[in-house]
Amino acid sequence: KQEVTQIPAALSVPEGENLVLNCSFTDSAIYNLQWFRQDPGKGLTSLLLIQSSQREQTSGRLNASLDKSSGRSTLYIAASQPGDSATYLCAVGTGANSKLTFGKGITLSVRP
Amino acid sequence: NAGVTQTPKFQVLKTGQSMTLQCAQDMNHNSMYWYRQDPGMGLRLIYYSASEGTTDKGEVPNGYNVSRLNKREFSLRLESAAPSQTSVYFCASGLAGGGETQYFGPGTRLLVL
Repeated sequence: KQEVTQIPAALSVPEGENLVLNCSFTDSAIYNLQWFRQDPGKGLTSLLLIQSSQREQTSGRLNASLDKSSGRSTLYIAASQPGDSATYLCAVGTGANSKLTFGKGITLSVRP
Repeated sequence: NAGVTQTPKFQVLKTGQSMTLQCAQDMNHNSMYWYRQDPGMGLRLIYYSASEGTTDKGEVPNGYNVSRLNKREFSLRLESAAPSQTSVYFCASGLAGGGETQYFGPGTRLLVL
């Protein structure tokens, strides 16, 4: 059974800092890996999707990497802003129907 | 484009009552999913539908039934609600065939007393 771990559960950083959020998974036979953002009381918004054949994806200040062999992914946020404060969830897609297994998320607080 | 919509936004039930959570998407996606989100547990898949007319169990299907009414709509039914089903329920959709982004609705907060 696939298990996805995100540590730490919470992180507080000053504005402007570059930061890395980590995600690990136990089964390397994945179709893809997604990073989502969730604001309090809201649904999930997809940030980046990395296919199993890719090593990284970039969108603006965000960069996600994937190392299937070691079962790890990182989300790099450059020049963090208070608006980046949210919970970031990592999800691994397995099977032809892309069923997602989620980590519990990392709650990020960016202090002005 | 409304994306993925869910109704109701919030519901309070008494133990033993039944209700149906509605979900609709206007992105012409083949696959639809129901998740529940609980503190400390993360999101867990309840049921999914790979295409119109098909449904399959996810990780936590007990106590739930689903109907894929047509390509747009995927409903989740609680026949006899229990306090353990207090949760936030999210519907999602995506293209078929794997490897696709899933798009999530805003969620339904359910409280079972």
